[in-house]
Amino acid sequence: KAGVTQTPRYLIKTRGQQVTLSCSPISGHRSVSWYQQTPGQGLQFLFEYFSETQRNKGNFPGRFSGRQFSNSRSEMNVSTLELGDSALYLCASSQTLNTGELFFGEGSRLTVL
Amino acid sequence: GQQLNQSPQSMFIQEGEDVSMNCTSSSIFNTWLWYKQDPGEGPVLLIALYKAGELTSNGRLTAQFGITRKDSFLNISASIPSDVGIYFCAGRTSANQAGTALIFGKGTTLSVSS
Repeated sequence: KAGVTQTPRYLIKTRGQQVTLSCSPISGHRSVSWYQQTPGQGLQFLFEYFSETQRNKGNFPGRFSGRQFSNSRSEMNVSTLELGDSALYLCASSQTLNTGELFFGEGSRLTVL
Repeated sequence: GQQLNQSPQSMFIQEGEDVSMNCTSSSIFNTWLWYKQDPGEGPVLLIALYKAGELTSNGRLTAQFGITRKDSFLNISASIPSDVGIYFCAGRTSANQAGTALIFGKGTTLSVSS
């Protein structure tokens, strides 16, 4: 069974640009969550999608957005990038909503210059 | 917002030694989980705990859900070099019980010398 796949793995952007990250969950998993990981703040919840609907959102500005498609694949977008957005963005999938048992991808490492 | 206090921040041990780490919160949690992250990888679930007082093992790993529901402990027995990595505690509260949103501790970095 293939794991969670995230693309791209690495990317470099400049301030003011926007970025889109993609996540393909484990086959059969309908819930996708996104987390931001930084050395200072650790792992922080961004948002969660189930059946194409955002079910939960973390405390991040509106520049961070996401969506889920009918095949459960998900994308997240960050607009007007700031230096502080440099981080590892992790996608996780799970079979249902009511579980903390997440399967994480390897992440997309974003560097903002 | 809610925070998890994880300690110790780092540990340097000899192969074969036992390891203990813990996580505390000022809030009550309904679920406690322990994840491990290796360099360049995403976190991997080690143990999930769902009831206060629950003690669960996964090989050499044992974790407990504290009676007060505000803490959890992870023990690793007879450590080996592949135990090296960052261990995270994570919890879910009733506030987000309908979703999978987790609150993570800052992690314990484990180094094992052979």
